[in-house]
Order: sequence, then C-alpha cells, then structure tokens
Amino acid sequence: DGGITQSPKYLFRKEGQNVTLSCEQNLNHDAMYWYRQDPGQGLRLIYYSQIVNDFQKGDIAEGYSVSREKKESFPLTVTSAQKNPTAFYLCASRGQGFSPLHFGNGTRLTVT
Amino acid sequence: AQSVTQLDSQVPVFEEAPVELRCNYSSSVSVYLFWYVQYPNQGLQLLLKYLSGSTLVESINGFEAEFNKSQTSFHLRKPSVHISDTAEYFCAVSGGNDMRFGAGTRLTVKP
Repeated sequence: DGGITQSPKYLFRKEGQNVTLSCEQNLNHDAMYWYRQDPGQGLRLIYYSQIVNDFQKGDIAEGYSVSREKKESFPLTVTSAQKNPTAFYLCASRGQGFSPLHFGNGTRLTVT
Repeated sequence: AQSVTQLDSQVPVFEEAPVELRCNYSSSVSVYLFWYVQYPNQGLQLLLKYLSGSTLVESINGFEAEFNKSQTSFHLRKPSVHISDTAEYFCAVSGGNDMRFGAGTRLTVKP
C-alpha cells in the first residue's frame, strides 16, 4: 500500500542535542511538508518542498533544517537552537495541483 | 498568505444530535478548502474538500460542508452524530503550494 512512513513514533533526547526525524513516502508525490502540532495551536508549517533539492521555509522554520535529496525522503532536523522542541511532528505529501495532503502518523519528540 | 480561524475550540454534543463546526478563512487569492479529522496519536485524515463547482460537499460518513465565498466560511455539519465521531477536526486552506490549518475543534460526543 502507498503511504507515508514516519519513524520513530516516539523519540526522546537531551537538551542541546540535534535530532533527525525521518519521513519517507512511496506515493510518487513531488511535494512534501513538515508541520508541528502543539495543543490548542493546530498545525504550524515548518518547511515544505515542491521538488528535489529545493525547499521553502514555513511559518516557524527557526531552529529546524531539512534536506530533499530524493523524491521519496524529506528528513527534518531539530537543532539545539530550537527553544521549545517538545511537540508532535507531522510529515505530509501532496500530489499534483491542489490535491489534499496525505499525512504520516507522526513522531512525538520529547526533549528534557 | 492564507489564514484559517476555527471559532470553537471544543464542542460537546449528545449522540444523535446535530453539530456544526465553524471555520472562517482569509485569503487574497482563490482558495481550496479542506476538513481533516484526527484521532489520538495519529496523523490527519481527509474528511472532505472543496476545489470548485458545487459549494456543498459531502463525505462518505455523513458530514457535509458548504463553501460560502461572501462570508469566507466553510462550516462543517452533520445532522446526527455518533460516539465514533469523537475526534479533533481541522479546517485548512490552500491558495498555492502551501496549506494552512486552523487551531482545531475538539468534538466530543456523549451518550
């Protein structure tokens, strides 16, 4: 079955460490997205990518970095510069035109 | 850029009662509108979408939403809810390559 895989489901890190969240899709979608979800704030866009080797900042890109070396993969690195990294992170992809987003099941990151 | 306001953070309702979850958007360009549903510790699933054509769109599980351009709204309705409809619902707007979401409405259906 086609879909989006985020791993791991739960991730724990110490403050000051960088951590990379994985997102892989086999839907052959060009566009991929990263959102952060916090209670009461909905989803906030971190980064998105329309094609390989190109990506744009979303509303809250500070403290995060991404790469898009392959169409199938869009990893997100949460750096030590991110002041409040504990959150639920969602990856999504999108087909042609204005089609809806397809979401992975998320990674819950806890930084202590 | 686009933005979305969901007017109610929580909506409690009894089983078999009707429900309306309100969504307003703002945009300087033509938009495409979506409702998603999220169950605990999962990603979002598409409920329904408005891209063009008829302003009333329906989902397979009884939800419907009406695009109202003059009021910049896209409210979600269901005439009779079930316990299984308990979840968080997100309204989203896309005017280009990005997609913006509202803060979500927590629907709780009580027996």
